[in-house]
Order: sequence, then structure tokens, then C-alpha cells
Amino acid sequence: DADVTQTPRNRITKTGKRIMLECSQTKGHDRMYWYRQDPGLGLRLIYYSFDVKDINKGEISDGYSVSRQAQAKFSLSLESAIPNQTALYFCATSDWEHTGELFFGEGSRLTVL
Amino acid sequence: SQQGEEDPQALSIQEGENATMNCSYKTSINNLQWYRQNSGRGLVHLILIRSNEREKHSGRLRVTLDTSKKSSSLLITASRAADTASYFCATGPGYSTLTFGKGTMLLVSP
Repeated sequence: DADVTQTPRNRITKTGKRIMLECSQTKGHDRMYWYRQDPGLGLRLIYYSFDVKDINKGEISDGYSVSRQAQAKFSLSLESAIPNQTALYFCATSDWEHTGELFFGEGSRLTVL
Repeated sequence: SQQGEEDPQALSIQEGENATMNCSYKTSINNLQWYRQNSGRGLVHLILIRSNEREKHSGRLRVTLDTSKKSSSLLITASRAADTASYFCATGPGYSTLTFGKGTMLLVSP
């Protein structure tokens, strides 16, 4: 099994719908992140969490919310999806105490019609 | 806003050749990391270089860092078709958050 698992992997929805992307990890890391990738724009940070009680906004948090249900689970919600939220979304965890590297999930491709 | 910017945006080479891609950044950093992404997949960490280091090697990878010029380069020697991917640099003031560049798409032809 993957260390960082994202569900769903693909989702097509309509404008105005509520969408939740889920992320779970078995790395035992405290820090988790949600990034968004758009063609030609690289990855941009949406939200990050250093532990269950610590949630922080990233560069592009408007229109998104998150929930850290447990150390291993970090969910991203779009309360009312809009077409320009069509993108590839990545969850990641950080081994900040040792190597500083991020471990990414395989991504959730979201299409908003 | 993007901190790191990779150059070139795209690079096409033959197997066996070396591939060099560059990253420039704007503000002071604690570390710089390189990641690889196969088409549509999750990013995979390649190498990290700290601000007090000038060069680092890992297998066929060589990374340099010039903090005076705020730039880094990634060299892949003896490229293989399997190296075809997008490569991203990421910078951070520490390990709290990383800011990614837009990436270099590398195509290695057999």
C-alpha cells in the first residue's frame, strides 16, 4: 500500500457541488499539506497542518477548507465548486524532523463542469 | 507567488547525453530540493541541498547551489529514456513549507 493515499483519484462534478478530497498516510508524520497543480503553474500550496490542532492557510486558500481528523488524515473540501478549481490536487506529508523531504500522494484529478 | 523558477521550460535530449536544468529563486533559503514527476503522478523527492552546501551528488544526479546568485542546477548524467519526466525545484526558509517552481519537462529519446 502507498504511504500517502488520496481518494478519489478522479472526480467529475458540477458547479456548485460540495466536494471532499481525502488523504491518509502511514508515514507517521505530523505535517501534512494540500497542493494544487495547474498546467504551466507548477504546484501551489492551499493549506497545511503541523498537527491535529494546527491548521494554516497557504498561498491560495480561498474557496477551500480543510479538516485534520487525526494525525493520519487530512481532508480538503470545496464547499461550492467552480470551474476554475479544475486541477490536479496533491496531498503530501513532511519528514521535517529528519530529511525535510515531502512525500506525495498520487493525486486527485478534479474536473468541475 | 512562485519562489523558484526552472529553466529551461522544456529540454529534449538523446539517451546517453547529460541533462542540465537550472532553478533561480528570489529570497533567502534554508534549503533547496529537487523533485521529479512522471506524467500526472505524484512528485518524488530526488535530492536536498542546504544553504551551507555548494554541491551534492546522488547516483547520476549532481546538484549545485550558488546562494550569491540565488540559483541551483541539477545535472543528470548519462540520461536514460526512463528519466523522461518533469523536474521541479522547491525552496523553503526552513522545512515548514516549500514553494515550488513551474518545472522543466525533460524528454529523453532512445
